[in-house]
Order: sequence, then C-alpha cells, then structure tokens
Amino acid sequence: KQEVTQIPAALSVPEGENLVLNCSFTDSAIYNLQWFRQDPGKGLTSLLLIQSSQREQTSGRLNASLDKSSGRSTLYIAASQPGDSATYLCAVRVAGGGADGLTFGKGTHLIIQP
Amino acid sequence: DGGITQSPKYLFRKEGQNVTLSCEQNLNHDAMYWYRQDPGQGLRLIYYSQIVNDFQKGDIAEGYSVSREKKESFPLTVTSAQKNPTAFYLCASSNDWYNEQFFGPGTRLTVL
Repeated sequence: KQEVTQIPAALSVPEGENLVLNCSFTDSAIYNLQWFRQDPGKGLTSLLLIQSSQREQTSGRLNASLDKSSGRSTLYIAASQPGDSATYLCAVRVAGGGADGLTFGKGTHLIIQP
Repeated sequence: DGGITQSPKYLFRKEGQNVTLSCEQNLNHDAMYWYRQDPGQGLRLIYYSQIVNDFQKGDIAEGYSVSREKKESFPLTVTSAQKNPTAFYLCASSNDWYNEQFFGPGTRLTVL
C-alpha cells in the first residue's frame, strides 16, 4: 500500500530564507503528485500539481520537483515570508487506481519568523 | 465565484444520532470526494464518486454513507455506527479522476 512521508514534521526559519520541504512515497507507480497548503482550521489550498511525466512545476516563489523513480518530491519556497506560515501537505494519486482519492502525508508545519 | 461550499462549519452530535454534512460545488466537476482529518494524521479517504448515481468506498467507509443524486452535491451522513466521529471533514472535487483536486473549507464535527 502506498505510504507518503514528509520530512521535517516541523520547521521554523527566519523571514527571507529559501527553504525545501521533502516528500517521499513508497510506490513509484503514481499518476500525479499534488502539494497543498493548509492554514489552521481551514480547508486545503492547492499549490502545485505535477504529472508523473513532468519533472517540475513552478508558481511564483514556489517550485516543486518530482523524481518518480526514487519516490521523492521537494517543494522549494524562495524568499520566505511570514504569510507562508502554514502546514504543507503532499499527496499522490496511484496510477491505475481509477477514481479513488489521494494518499496524503502528515504534513510539514512551517513557521516563518518575522 | 466558483468553488466548493461545506455546511455547517461546526457541528455537534449527541451519541446515537445520525448527522449529515453538506458539500456543494459549482465547478461542474464530475468527481467528488470525502476525507477525514484527525490531529497528527494525514487525510484519509471516506467515499468518492466519479459520476452521478455512482460512488465507491474509500479506506475508512465504515459508519458513513453518501449519495450522489446531483452533479453538484455529495452529502455525507455520519451514522451512529461510526465509533469515533469527532474529526475535521473535508470535501473535494476534480474535473476528472486524474486531475487536480480542490477542497472545501471543511466541517468540524464534535461528539458530545
């Protein structure tokens, strides 16, 4: 069964730093991988979707990479800001699984210190 | 505005009661999903529906039921058979099963 792990579980950095969040998955047969942001008590906001045939996706200060063969993805946040403070979740969709849902990691709780 | 709405935001249930959580989307998406989120755990799939009048059990369907009578709506009923229903419930939708999923704001259910 697919398992998704996110490291670190929590991270606190000063404003302005570039940072990397890690996501690993046990079964490389994925269809796509999606990164989300969740603010306390709120729903999930989709940040980036990477299809299995892609290596990376970029949106503003965010860049997500995917290495399907090694079962890894990273989310790079450039020039971090206090507003980036949130929990970041990684999720994969298993290939050939039909319409079933995503498999999620437990998230990285990120705090950007002003 | 296009999006997904969930109601109510907070819900309190007495033991032995059934309660229904609402999920509506105006994105014209075919697929809809229900997830449960517990502290310190990842989201877990309860039920999903690829098309109207069809739905499938996810990983933790016991004690839950759903219906999909309209494309826009996918209500979730938490029955008295669900042993530990206190959690944050999230509804999502996607244009098709392989596309980006979008989430609603969630409903927090507490059992009194």
